[in-house]
Amino acid sequence: DSGVTQTPKHLITATGQRVTLRCSPRSGDLSVYWYQQSLDQGLQFLIQYYNGEERAKGNILERFSAQQFPDLHSELNLSSLELGDSALYFCASSVSGVSPLHFGNGTRLTVT
Amino acid sequence: DAKTTQPPSMDCAEGRAANLPCNHSTISGNEYVYWYRQIHSQGPQYIIHGLKNNETNEMASLIITEDRKSSTLILPHATLRDTAVYYCIVRPKPYTGTASKLTFGTGTRLQVTL
Repeated sequence: DSGVTQTPKHLITATGQRVTLRCSPRSGDLSVYWYQQSLDQGLQFLIQYYNGEERAKGNILERFSAQQFPDLHSELNLSSLELGDSALYFCASSVSGVSPLHFGNGTRLTVT
Repeated sequence: DAKTTQPPSMDCAEGRAANLPCNHSTISGNEYVYWYRQIHSQGPQYIIHGLKNNETNEMASLIITEDRKSSTLILPHATLRDTAVYYCIVRPKPYTGTASKLTFGTGTRLQVTL
């Protein structure tokens, strides 16, 4: 158990809808990262937050947004969903510095 | 970020050592080598990391060449549960107070067999 909690584990929704994925980092970790893994793309970095502030952005679509709250949990919002958004979404956390990222077990999103 | 090159797949007999190579010839002095693995569709699992010295923990050993252009992850006694995709990642040392992302490549699919 990595200590990173992601909810829900599975999500099935229709095209055009909006969903929110939630991540609770390990106790004491200030950084949260979001990754997307689809079958043909591998693990793609989306966005990183550190202590509530956005620190780095990857290949995140404009339809997607994220935030990190004062209690350090994070949410990833996906809107106007398309079939191609079906994927595993992973959250990871780390303390500052060179400490390793620890990943949750992901949310599997299926868009029908 | 420095790129890494790994073989797409490897096989290993159970009980034998698994030696997974990684080339990172463009690595710079402030970049670390990290290894992760992903079992089926679970979240990636941290294994080990190092800068220039060899490292060992309860999971594996990491051997980094003196010129730092390549490294080898060693699983000393592979079991069926070690079957996974193994990722070698080069990660820049972050600025103080922040942490830098990991950029995953395609990794090596290790199949451990009886």
